[in-house]
Amino acid sequence: DTGVSQDPRHKITKRGQNVTFRCDPISEHNRLYWYRQTLGQGPEFLTYFQNEAQLEKSRLLSDRFSAERPKGSFSTLEIQRTEQGDSAMYLCASSSSSYEQYFGPGTRLTVT
Amino acid sequence: RKEVEQDPGPFNVPEGATVAFNCTYSNSASQSFFWYRQDCRKEPKLLMSVYSSGNEDGRFTAQLNRASQYISLLIRDSKLSDSATYLCVVPRGGNKLTFGTGTQLKVEL
Repeated sequence: DTGVSQDPRHKITKRGQNVTFRCDPISEHNRLYWYRQTLGQGPEFLTYFQNEAQLEKSRLLSDRFSAERPKGSFSTLEIQRTEQGDSAMYLCASSSSSYEQYFGPGTRLTVT
Repeated sequence: RKEVEQDPGPFNVPEGATVAFNCTYSNSASQSFFWYRQDCRKEPKLLMSVYSSGNEDGRFTAQLNRASQYISLLIRDSKLSDSATYLCVVPRGGNKLTFGTGTQLKVEL
């Protein structure tokens, strides 16, 4: 399977714990995006990498959130001191030079 | 005005029917548009790209009206497997995608 992959697919954590998600983009894609989706809403942009450079961050991305893409390949999204409002589906997408983005299966986070 | 607006539905249609969804956008400078399909608890999947006045792919037709700032998606001869949420998407500077809330379609026997 040469699509975008994400790990884990599901994560249940207690409030206050830290969590980290991983995304492996399509291998020839240099652009990687993170989105968050809650029930009944479309995905909302969080952050964007071109190669290893993080070029944009949404105001949705509080100081508790950090994303990295150290070698321009896979990316990680960490949430520190999780809150119940962080419960959502976290989606990763990748693209080449076009606007067409391809999404991974997502990581569903539940904060109890 | 929201950046991208869609009627959430649901649209309940019989198999074989033709159904159309509209989407309005606020940024008149937008040049390209997308329709994504999302099945329940799955990731969005690219359905169609619209770069000029429209695009057609089999039973699916997307049309763009720049003057009125709306995009439509027409599905002909709808099938049970078309049941999903259809997301209207408009890129916003720096390759960010802005999604509508989606329109839910239910195709029934």
